[in-house]
Amino acid sequence: DVKVTQSSRYLVKRTGEKVFLECVQDMDHENMFWYRQDPGLGLRLIYFSYDVKMKEKGDIPEGYSVSREKKERFSLILESASTNQTSMYLCASVSGGSYGYTFGSGTRLTVV
Amino acid sequence: GIQVEQSPPDLILQEGANSTLRCNFSDSVNNLQWFHQNPWGQLINLFYIPSGTKQNGRLSATTVATERYSLLYISSSQTTDSGVYFCAVDPLTDSWGKLQFGAGTQVVVTP
Repeated sequence: DVKVTQSSRYLVKRTGEKVFLECVQDMDHENMFWYRQDPGLGLRLIYFSYDVKMKEKGDIPEGYSVSREKKERFSLILESASTNQTSMYLCASVSGGSYGYTFGSGTRLTVV
Repeated sequence: GIQVEQSPPDLILQEGANSTLRCNFSDSVNNLQWFHQNPWGQLINLFYIPSGTKQNGRLSATTVATERYSLLYISSSQTTDSGVYFCAVDPLTDSWGKLQFGAGTQVVVTP
């Protein structure tokens, strides 16, 4: 069964900490995405990547960066965590030219 | 950017009831998808439906692209249908694959 795995289900971090959220897919997909989900707002795109070492900003990139050194892994980095980054973070991958998105189970991050 | 509006925001159903969820979008799209997020947070793709009608068991969906809306029908609802239903579109004028999500419809099916 195809999978997108997010390293942590729940995380609690302190304001100002550097936070790494990891996402790994085993489907050899070229395209990977990071979304955040907030009540009443749905999912909003933070960053995405169409290939290794390639990254593009989504709709809300401020305060985030990403890294894609290997095809299967796409990391989201909060350079200096703030309380307004408390949210559910979802990673997704999809093969180029298709629309069969597969989502990870999410990381619920709380910044205190 | 494109606006995606879902209605109703919340829906409470008795088991066995039928319901219709609606998604309106403000501009032309490459594709439209419906997702279900279960109470544990896992998002599952239900339909890829840029136009026309599709059915999968008790669920069906219709998209009228020329009028910029899509409908998701749930028939004979079951408690396992509870969760949040999202509509997501890939705008025609934007980079491929950048799904824009609506705010979702929270569905609770009671026994």
